[in-house]
Amino acid sequence: DVKVTQSSRYLVKRTGEKVFLECVQDMDHENMFWYRQDPGLGLRLIYFSYDVKMKEKGDIPEGYSVSREKKERFSLILESASTNQTSMYLCASRKERGVDTEAFFGQGTRLTVV
Amino acid sequence: KNEVEQSPQNLTAQEGEFITINCSYSVGISALHWLQQHPGGGIVSLFMLSSGKKKHGRLIATINIQEKHSSLHITASHPRDSAVYICASHSGGGADGLTFGKGTHLIIQP
Repeated sequence: DVKVTQSSRYLVKRTGEKVFLECVQDMDHENMFWYRQDPGLGLRLIYFSYDVKMKEKGDIPEGYSVSREKKERFSLILESASTNQTSMYLCASRKERGVDTEAFFGQGTRLTVV
Repeated sequence: KNEVEQSPQNLTAQEGEFITINCSYSVGISALHWLQQHPGGGIVSLFMLSSGKKKHGRLIATINIQEKHSSLHITASHPRDSAVYICASHSGGGADGLTFGKGTHLIIQP
């Protein structure tokens, strides 16, 4: 079974803190994604990566950055957390770029910024 | 830009009922995904289909490419089916290309 693991289920951080959300997949997938999910808005793409050290902005990248130093790990960084970044964050991976393949999701990290 | 609409947004039914959740999209796609999200957050992929029909246990997914419409059916519904069901379309190309619907919140009462 493909497994996508996010480092934390729940996080509480203070405004202005630098926050790291980690995601690891164990199936050698090329593509990894970070989404946030908010009530009434559905899933929105923050950043994605199709290879090591490669990253591309999604629909809502402002206030976020990412790092992919190894194929299996994709990190989302909130440079200076703000209350409007309180959300559910979901990591996902897919096998290949541009090919219809199943998407696998992590269990989600519910981040609260106070 | 592809738009994905789901209906209904909320659905409450009694155990044993036949459930249908609908998904419409606005542009041609290469595949459509049905996802399930339980309370607590984790999302599980149920189906990926590009034509016809797929069945897994009590779940059936259909797609009509000409009408740009897909349905997810649950037969003999059970309280453990209570979850948010999300459809997502893949327009093809690029590393992602997934456009998500806002989800259908399903509650099955015993």
